[in-house]
Amino acid sequence: GAVVSQHPSRVICKSGTSVKIECRSLDFQATTMFWYRQFPKQSLMLMATSNEGSKATYEQGVEKDKFLINHASLTLSTLTVTSAHPEDSSFYICSANAPPTPKSDYGYTFGSGTRLTVV
Amino acid sequence: AQSVTQPDIHITVSEGASLELRCNYSYGATPYLFWYVQSPGQGLQLLLKYFSGDTLVQGIKGFEAEFKRSQSSFNLRKPSVHWSDAAEYFCAVESYGQNFVFGPGTRLSVLP
Repeated sequence: GAVVSQHPSRVICKSGTSVKIECRSLDFQATTMFWYRQFPKQSLMLMATSNEGSKATYEQGVEKDKFLINHASLTLSTLTVTSAHPEDSSFYICSANAPPTPKSDYGYTFGSGTRLTVV
Repeated sequence: AQSVTQPDIHITVSEGASLELRCNYSYGATPYLFWYVQSPGQGLQLLLKYFSGDTLVQGIKGFEAEFKRSQSSFNLRKPSVHWSDAAEYFCAVESYGQNFVFGPGTRLSVLP
């Protein structure tokens, strides 16, 4: 089935540094990928929609200069948290919509997530 | 605006007991409906989805959900819970052309 790989699964960084998270569609092409953020014991909130070859679309309240998204190929989207601060510590999850297959007519597939801790 | 509610924040059941997790949505038209499960520190796994047709949907791991238009509900059920079912469960909706909206989640604990 369709697989979305997310890397790294866990990262600890110092306050003020930048962190890049990768989201790859392993066996399909994804013109659109989605980035979510999940605080402890809370639900997933959509941050932005990543569009291959064009600018990302950010949800209201999400700082686009803080969370840089690049979708340079049909299989890779990256989220860079710039000048990270402790309040950016969270669980980040990406997803992509895989095309229908004979076994599945719908393919929103999620990555395994990245736990970011800023110290 | 579209919204999804899961009234139960935390549910505890005994292993072997039946389970029902509630989900209600607020939407002008019938959206696509989903249930996902998330184990601690992990991503999301799709349990089942409803687009149209038969309102009783069968999913993986013995789960099923029933869509009730009159109640704007899509409750998840399992006749006999296993200890491995302990996790966080999210209901989600998607309207055509829109993104997912997730419910707040229900944490399931299973007693031995």
